[in-house]
Amino acid sequence: NAGVTQTPKFQVLKTGQSMTLQCAQDMNHNSMYWYRQDPGMGLRLIYYSASEGTTDKGEVPNGYNVSRLNKREFSLRLESAAPSQTSVYFCASSPREYLFFGSGTQLSVL
Amino acid sequence: KQEVTQIPAALSVPEGENLVLNCSFTDSAIYNLQWFRQDPGKGLTSLLLIQSSQREQTSGRLNASLDKSSGRSTLYIAASQPGDSATYLCAARRDGGSQGNLIFGKGTKLSVKP
Repeated sequence: NAGVTQTPKFQVLKTGQSMTLQCAQDMNHNSMYWYRQDPGMGLRLIYYSASEGTTDKGEVPNGYNVSRLNKREFSLRLESAAPSQTSVYFCASSPREYLFFGSGTQLSVL
Repeated sequence: KQEVTQIPAALSVPEGENLVLNCSFTDSAIYNLQWFRQDPGKGLTSLLLIQSSQREQTSGRLNASLDKSSGRSTLYIAASQPGDSATYLCAARRDGGSQGNLIFGKGTKLSVKP
């Protein structure tokens, strides 16, 4: 019963470094999402994938890229990390109505 | 553009008290409204979902209501317990397509004191 699994849980980057956040779900959900959560800003959608092979921009896509590798996996890439990308990142999946969240990745960019 | 507001940002109550958390939204043309719970350092857990055609949903000690005409939803927690301490978020969904159009409030941090 893993649900939505995110790796890593914590990461510290230097400005300009790149990294990929991994997300996998084992519930056979079609839709997957990447959110960021910042103090005072709430949860904001970065990118989403309504089905395997499709991706769409959310509210704050700049500085990020995504890949829907297969139905299970949806990765988020930071090509050149900036301090403004310091945040907690959540992956979620959905069969249609309900969202199921991972436990998050706390990312700090120095 | 849909905006979702939750007031107060934080609430502290003694154990056993019944309480109401508020959520307001600016665009009444919503598809559904969801309430989530978030524990410190964890992801969100869905609590209740109310479709636009419904007025309320209940799960155990939780009851969520929806009034589209006034742009408000409330989450009622009966007989609160210390284990209810968490941040509660509401989110409004605009249409029946992908949940890429889900707009979250900033949450109410609830503390239930023993």
